[in-house]
Amino acid sequence: DVHMTQSPSTLSASVGDRVTITCRASQSITSRLAWYRQKPGKAPQLLIHDASSLESGVPLRFRGSGSGTEFTLTISSLQPDDFATYFCQQYRTYPYTFGQGTKLEIK
Amino acid sequence: EVQLVESGGGLIQPGGSLSLSCAASGFIITDNYISWVRQAPGKGLEWVSVVYPSGSTYYADSVKGRFTISRDNSKNTLYLQMNTLRAEDTAMYYCARAMGLTAAFDIWGQGTLVTVSS
Repeated sequence: DVHMTQSPSTLSASVGDRVTITCRASQSITSRLAWYRQKPGKAPQLLIHDASSLESGVPLRFRGSGSGTEFTLTISSLQPDDFATYFCQQYRTYPYTFGQGTKLEIK
Repeated sequence: EVQLVESGGGLIQPGGSLSLSCAASGFIITDNYISWVRQAPGKGLEWVSVVYPSGSTYYADSVKGRFTISRDNSKNTLYLQMNTLRAEDTAMYYCARAMGLTAAFDIWGQGTLVTVSS
């Protein structure tokens, strides 16, 4: 199985800050990586697919990059709606696997 | 509107069985790859199973031999039959759509909670 490691596990920031979350795969997944945002009590929402493609309707402040085994999600100017938990996911091979999550908290 | 709606969760004793449903609207399930993904309370996400447009099915090792994914094309509905349930199967169960073989989950249901406890 492909193991996905996210860092940090928790991130404290303020509205307007720029933040970056990292995801590493245990083997190459080419660009088959997605980023999701999950608000408490809600289902995950797709933000980025294919490592850097913005899902329709997702604000431009979200940016994904990387390929192979190293990926990043950058949020350029945090909004109140962004304080949530973020997950990366590889869909290169089954079983699809997720990172453990990064909880973005208000400082 | 394109959406998925799960139902069927509840409290079940260890060793018991439960069947979950996932009703799709706004798209045809047989044109897509539909998965079940679960999330234990306060934990991360775990992919459970998928059914292909062809009808092929795949499972995570943790549920293989106990869970069965199926669909009723006439009802545009996906199912997950869960047998020999264990405490570690306690989770919110989501169905999710991927539009291709190697594609992200672009549509998720709201989830249905399964609690396995005596």
